[in-house]
Amino acid sequence: AQSVTQLGSHVSVSEGALVLLRCNYSSSVPPYLFWYVQYPNQGLQLLLKYTSAATLVKGINGFEAEFKKSETSFHLTKPSAHMSDAAEYFCAVSDQDFGNEKLTFGTGTRLTIIP
Amino acid sequence: NAGVTQTPKFQVLKTGQSMTLQCAQDMNHEYMSWYRQDPGMGLRLIHYSVGAGITDQGEVPNGYNVSRSTTEDFPLRLLSAAPSQTSVYFCASRQEAGELFFGEGSRLTVL
Repeated sequence: AQSVTQLGSHVSVSEGALVLLRCNYSSSVPPYLFWYVQYPNQGLQLLLKYTSAATLVKGINGFEAEFKKSETSFHLTKPSAHMSDAAEYFCAVSDQDFGNEKLTFGTGTRLTIIP
Repeated sequence: NAGVTQTPKFQVLKTGQSMTLQCAQDMNHEYMSWYRQDPGMGLRLIHYSVGAGITDQGEVPNGYNVSRSTTEDFPLRLLSAAPSQTSVYFCASRQEAGELFFGEGSRLTVL
């Protein structure tokens, strides 16, 4: 069985500050890990994914995430927050790469940017 | 390019009523799926389809029916709505070995 835990259902950061959204996973097989973003009144959009090719993964809009097997973590970061980053972020885990509906999603972290 | 289109965006039902949530995609994707999103629970897979005429159950299929008569459409039917089905529903599609593309969601309230 696989699961993800997102620490902090709400995170607030000032514009220009570092964004850090936490995700820890549990998996009995080598995991594939994903971060999705959901802007208000929109569907989910893929930010980035980890598939074992590289532990540091760069995604869209300046976000990146680092896979740390020893910590079973896949935290999402962005050096400088922008107002447009305000959204809900979901971490997800799968036992397969793309081509799989059976993702296990975390409960989400709502990011608020303070002007 | 419209992508994945869901209708209606909002719906209020009474317990026991039936309705269909529509989903259409114009990307010629073979794979389509339905998820529900509940507070504090993330997204959960309801049903999915790997092509016209083929459907399968996901994690939470009870109370929902689906069919896939065309590549473009994948409607989700609630035969007898219950308050526990109050949720936001997302349809998604993908190519084989591709990423999921999500619709904008349908917010359903069952009284």
